[in-house]
Formats: sequence, structure tokens, C-alpha cells
Amino acid sequence: ETGVTQSPTHLIKTRGQQVTLRCSSQSGHNTVSWYQQALGQGPQFIFQYYREEENGRGNFPPRFSGLQFPNYSSELNVNALELDDSALYLCASSLGGIAEAFFGQGTRLTVV
Amino acid sequence: DQQVKQNSPSLSVQEGRISILNCDYTNSMFDYFLWYKKYPAEGPTFLISISSIKDKNEDGRFTVFLNKSAKHLSLHIVPSQPGDSAVYFCAASSYNNNDMRFGAGTRLTVKP
Repeated sequence: ETGVTQSPTHLIKTRGQQVTLRCSSQSGHNTVSWYQQALGQGPQFIFQYYREEENGRGNFPPRFSGLQFPNYSSELNVNALELDDSALYLCASSLGGIAEAFFGQGTRLTVV
Repeated sequence: DQQVKQNSPSLSVQEGRISILNCDYTNSMFDYFLWYKKYPAEGPTFLISISSIKDKNEDGRFTVFLNKSAKHLSLHIVPSQPGDSAVYFCAASSYNNNDMRFGAGTRLTVKP
């Protein structure tokens, strides 16, 4: 049984650029959630995908978008990057709706 | 809107003693609560959970208490060990809800 893996682990982008972050969910899990964790804060819910459909969204603008693939892996895309998008982006997988979600190690995004 | 609050950013205890981490919430719709532990450069790791139909849940050295009337939960670690030193996040959600809300975290340091 493999855990949740995210790639890349670190990334530096320039303001205005676009970025794609990737997540492989834990074996058997059909739900993937994405979170943004700014320095000194708890993770903030971005959105969730369940069986390839968006299943809820937090208070993030439309330039944050995502996909889930048939194998339940997922991507987070952020367009028109802003300096405030600099954060740790966490992916979590679970079986079904809530239950205990298992997190990846995160992708540290720095926007300069 | 900070619906989950951890008012103590840090806590220091001696090895072997009890660690008590506190969490308050404001949304009465929350009915499922979780604690996660996070080491540096790793994603949060699920520790223990409790549903609103219970007031206590134990797992080895870890016990979570829920006081619904006060909208308060706490995590007790007995006895505390140096390896418990980490940031602890409290999270809350509803069954079948996709939006898990996190507190800002409490950094626990257990001194040998």
C-alpha cells in the first residue's frame, strides 16, 4: 500500500506565471482534497475531487483549478500567480467523504 | 472566518508528564473532530478522531475529550515523550462534508 505522494517538493515561480502541482492518492482512496498552508497558519481547504468530479470548494478564486484522473491521482493548477500564493500546498486522500484523510508531504511554492 | 481556534501557539512539557492541547470551535454543525501531528518537512499525520456522539476517545497514550456544550475539545498525551515534539492541528468537519477546517496549530515541545 503506497502513501500519498506529491510532486514537485519545491518550486519557484515568477508572478504572473502558471503552475501545476501533482498528487498521487493512497491506494484504494477515491477522494482527493487540496489545502493551502501559509506560514504560521493551519491548512485552508481549496477544493475536493471525488471520482473525477469537483465535490466542494473553499474560498479561493477561479484561477485555482483542479483535475482528478481515473486512477484518482490529481492536479492543482494555479494561473496568474501572485506573491500571496507562496505557501505549502498539501494534498490529502481519503475513502469517501470525510473520514480520516492522509496527507502528502506537500509542495512548497515560492512566487517571486 | 476562523471557525476552529487553537489559542496556544506553543506548549512545553517535561518528559513523562501530561500534555494537554486545547481547541475551540464556533460552528455547531461540526460533528466530527480530528487531531493531526506535523513534523517539519512532512505532511500532517492523522492521530485520533472523535464524533459528536461521544465525549471521549482513547488510543494508547492519546485521549481526545469533546465538550459539545462548550464547543471545546482537548488532546491529552500521557506520558509525553520527546518524540511527541511536533505541531498539533485540530480539525473539524461534518459527516459527508468535504470541507475540513483546521486550527492554526500548537507547537508542542517535550523536554527530556
